[in-house]
Amino acid sequence: QSVLTQPPSASGTPGQRVTISCSGSSSNARRNTVNWYQQVPGTAPKLLIYNNNQRPSGVPDRFSGSKSGTSASLAISGLQSEDEADYYCAAWDDSLSGHVFGTGTKVTIL
Amino acid sequence: DVQLVESGGDLVQPGGSLRLSCAASGYTFSTFAMTWVRQAPGKGLEWVSTVSGTGLSTWYVDSVKGRFTISRDNSRSTLYLQMNRLRVEDTALYYCAKPSSWDNDAFDIWGQGTMVTVSS
Repeated sequence: QSVLTQPPSASGTPGQRVTISCSGSSSNARRNTVNWYQQVPGTAPKLLIYNNNQRPSGVPDRFSGSKSGTSASLAISGLQSEDEADYYCAAWDDSLSGHVFGTGTKVTIL
Repeated sequence: DVQLVESGGDLVQPGGSLRLSCAASGYTFSTFAMTWVRQAPGKGLEWVSTVSGTGLSTWYVDSVKGRFTISRDNSRSTLYLQMNRLRVEDTALYYCAKPSSWDNDAFDIWGQGTMVTVSS
């Protein structure tokens, strides 16, 4: 069961900014860090943001993360065609004693 | 280069068993916890299980508790997932994943996945 809720889809034209929300609870997003993954269909997920707002080496600064309370957000600015993918938030859940992934958001470039 | 390579996926009947392996290279395997994540066809990511670096601590999603066992052989830099009493709903691509540091749970290295199909 997923306890991190994301919108199923988001879209934008090249150059636009898109924001994806991740709604959790006190046992996951509030207490623990949130990470974000990008998955292009047919490939393994790629770490995009860790510790709520940190970018791994090689991830463009067009991607940014934030967290407030029980929710987190991923923003993609200056949308590019290669950003078309599925995006997942994730966090450790203290109540479940396990990791949880968000429901996933498909980003489409119009 | 750090690399994870899964193997062992197959077509198996409901109630059957399978053991997945994940061979790691390019880093000190025993330093990091390791995790299995699965993805059913057309569905999202689901965390399955995590094992600590020593192998002494394990965690499982409720749906596999009592059926799956995660383990590791640090001398062989290999992670395992023993899957028993398999169900149709266990059908998925199974990934192994490594965290980016010993003290976080952000998975920066993933394998290519191995497919498990449970069907009669």
